[in-house]
This record gives sequence, C-alpha cells and structure tokens, in this order.
Amino acid sequence: AQSVTQPDIHITVSEGASLELRCNYSYGATPYLFWYVQSPGQGLQLLLKYFSGDTLVQGIKGFEAEFKRSQSSFNLRKPSVHWSDAAEYFCAVGVETGTASKLTFGTGTRLQVTL
Amino acid sequence: GAVVSQHPSWVICKSGTSVKIECRSLDFQATTMFWYRQFPKQSLMLMATSNEGSKATYEQGVEKDKFLINHASLTLSTLTVTSAHPEDSSFYICSASRDSLYGYTFGSGTRLTVV
Repeated sequence: AQSVTQPDIHITVSEGASLELRCNYSYGATPYLFWYVQSPGQGLQLLLKYFSGDTLVQGIKGFEAEFKRSQSSFNLRKPSVHWSDAAEYFCAVGVETGTASKLTFGTGTRLQVTL
Repeated sequence: GAVVSQHPSWVICKSGTSVKIECRSLDFQATTMFWYRQFPKQSLMLMATSNEGSKATYEQGVEKDKFLINHASLTLSTLTVTSAHPEDSSFYICSASRDSLYGYTFGSGTRLTVV
C-alpha cells in the first residue's frame, strides 16, 4: 500500500530565509505527487504536482519541488519565505484504483514564520 | 474556475441528531467527489469516494450507515452524519474531481461539533 511520510511535524523559519519541507513516499509504481497548503480552518489549496517529465516542478506562490526517485522523495522548497506562508503543508501521493484516483496524505508539516 | 463550495462552514448539533453537509462544484461537473475527515493537527483521512449516480465506496473502517453519502447530480454530493455522537466531532472536507488527471479542488471544510 502507498504511504507518505513527512518527518517534520513543525518547522520555524525567519521571514526571508529559505525553506525546505521534506516528503518521502512509498509506492510500487511511478507516483503522482502533490503538495497542498492549508490555512487554519480552511480547505486545501494545490501548490504543485508531479506526474512525469521534468523532475523539478514549479508551483504557485514561488514554491518548487523536486522528485528524486532514488530517494523516494518529493521535497518542497522556497528560496525566500514570506510571513503569509505560515500554514500547514501536506504532501500526497495519488493512486489509480480503476474507478477513481485517490490521494493519500502525509501527516503534514506546520510552518511558522518569524518576523 | 474550479470552485467547490462546502456548506455549512461550521455546525453544532446535539448528540443523537443528524447533520447534513453539502459539497457543490460551482463551475464544473464533478464525476467524482471525495469526503475526508481531519482530526485536530492531523492529516486528512479519506472516508469515501462518491460517484454520480452510484453508491459511494467507503474506506475500510468507515461506517456506511453512519456516514451517508449521496451524489445525486454532477454538481452536488452530500454527507449526512446520522445519530451523531461527540466522537464524530471533527473537520470534514470534500473535494471534487473534474477529470481523471487529478483535477482535485477542495472545499473549505465543515467544522462539526457534537454536544
């Protein structure tokens, strides 16, 4: 069965500093990988996704992620964090089940940004 | 485009009563909708997959008689929590898929509190 691990429960960075959120997945086939962001009490917004092709994926809000098959990782990065980036970030792997495509989420990483 | 409206945003109900949560795709037709449950500071757990015009597919461990899902049209799916108990208190989030290429859009969630 597929699974997603986000090793860091909570990360604090200073505004303007760089950010990297880790994500490791376990899946037998080529994975479809996603990063979502969730503000408190809100739904999820898609930051970026990887299906195939270029392993460096650009997303919204200045985020990017790199797929590394050898490490089973899909880490999210941002060169310079803004205070508005404080939120919960979820990595997810998509699985085709024949009739539907389902997402399995990691446990999330809470990002705190200090001024 | 691709907006999903979830209603209500929050609801408080008495133990033993039923609560209905609506998930609407406002500007696209959603062949598949998903219902998730999220406990505080935890990840999203898929409860069921809802396909228009057919019975929902529930994940293992989810009581289908307690969490009734109806997907009567291509723009509306409902989740009814029957005979709610305090342990059903949680954050429920829906998502709608426009196509098979993971065009998931999430609703803003419903905070259910059972007293």
